[in-house]
Amino acid sequence: SQKIEQNSEALNIQEGKTATLTCNYTNYSPAYLQWYRQDPGRGPVFLLLIRENEKEKRKERLKVTFDTTLKQSLFHITASQPADSATYLCALRPDTGGFKTIFGAGTRLFVKA
Amino acid sequence: GAGVSQTPSNKVTEKGKYVELRCDPISGHTALYWYRQSLGQGPEFLIYFQGTGAADDSGLPNDRFFAVRPEGSVSTLKIQRTERGDSAVYLCASSLRTDGNTEAFFGQGTRLTVV
Repeated sequence: SQKIEQNSEALNIQEGKTATLTCNYTNYSPAYLQWYRQDPGRGPVFLLLIRENEKEKRKERLKVTFDTTLKQSLFHITASQPADSATYLCALRPDTGGFKTIFGAGTRLFVKA
Repeated sequence: GAGVSQTPSNKVTEKGKYVELRCDPISGHTALYWYRQSLGQGPEFLIYFQGTGAADDSGLPNDRFFAVRPEGSVSTLKIQRTERGDSAVYLCASSLRTDGNTEAFFGQGTRLTVV
């Protein structure tokens, strides 16, 4: 079956450290993968998109990698801050046609001061 | 407006009633999506509009759910004969292009509670 999985356990890290979140998918061959941030009571906010032919993408303190062999994307926040505390969602567009975007359940990140 | 606007922000309705949820996308955005999000889950795709037409409605759970976008801007999600299982946050998103390979902007959602 097709699945997109993120670590359901919350990630707790100390301010200043690097947070690494994982997204694994099964039985998809996405052309690209997206990462979103969601705060409680708010809609998701787009962060980064990485295409299948890109190994790594960076934006300020954020870095995303995409390994189509492992079927995995890693999302890194360097020099993390308490304001980075939120739920982070990965999402992909299946290559089966159509326009649906499939989201993972998200990983909750807590950054302690 | 500056962002995607959804109204109402909260809606409580009785089982069996009809509800309408409204989405005002960012001006000029051709693509519009509806999602449903339950607690602890990621958004679940419902329907996608490309202009006025529903290009992909494969996520609508059953025929009680229907959505329209008559003029290619505002969209309304309609739910008939609501059930308690319909309780969730309904999210709308819009994007500038229709190829999907671009940033989607989400509204804050409508929290629907069916009692």
